[in-house]
Amino acid sequence: GDSVTQMEGPVTLSEEAFLTINCTYTATGYPSLFWYVQYPGEGLQLLLKATKADDKGSNKGFEATYRKETTSFHLEKGSVQVSDSAVYFCALSPPDRRKLIWGLGTSLAVNP
Amino acid sequence: NAGVTQTPKFRVLKTGQSMTLLCAQDMNHEYMYWYRQDPGMGLRLIHYSVGEGTTAKGEVPDGYNVSRLKKQNFLLGLESAAPSQTSVYFCASTAGTSQHNEQFFGPGTRLTVL
Repeated sequence: GDSVTQMEGPVTLSEEAFLTINCTYTATGYPSLFWYVQYPGEGLQLLLKATKADDKGSNKGFEATYRKETTSFHLEKGSVQVSDSAVYFCALSPPDRRKLIWGLGTSLAVNP
Repeated sequence: NAGVTQTPKFRVLKTGQSMTLLCAQDMNHEYMYWYRQDPGMGLRLIHYSVGEGTTAKGEVPDGYNVSRLKKQNFLLGLESAAPSQTSVYFCASTAGTSQHNEQFFGPGTRLTVL
């Protein structure tokens, strides 16, 4: 069945460091891919998405490119801030659109 | 728009007690979901609904029941709470018209079962 694998955390970085959180997937058909972010004590919110191969989603300085050949959707940011400390979830939406398939989440802590 | 709201925000139950969690959305979304979030387990789908009057089981449905009598509301019931149901519960909704639609989440309910 469809699945999402993302790198385990926690990830700890200093402010202004480069961030990469790896996400790979297995899916039949052509899924849409998402990154959600969960700030402490809150619900999840969409960070960015990509709906077809080679699409790049971007938001708040974060980027991820839908790579069908490597079945990946890695999240990157060039210079993290303390306010980026959160848990990041990778997810895919199969063509039947009924349910999202979630990664386990990666916790990021950014130190000043 | 309030988006997705959840009631209550916190609750403490004793083993064997029952309760209902309420989720409401004002975006006219067709699909609604209940998840639980536990440390190291990510999000696990409990039940979901693809329209008013419909419900379906997710990954971890045992011990929970749901109802979707009105399009805007999705209720999650625990008939006889157990300590294993201590968790943070999130409701989400989506339009459901396309696989590209994002899910919108409520703020969560933190439930402790003693």
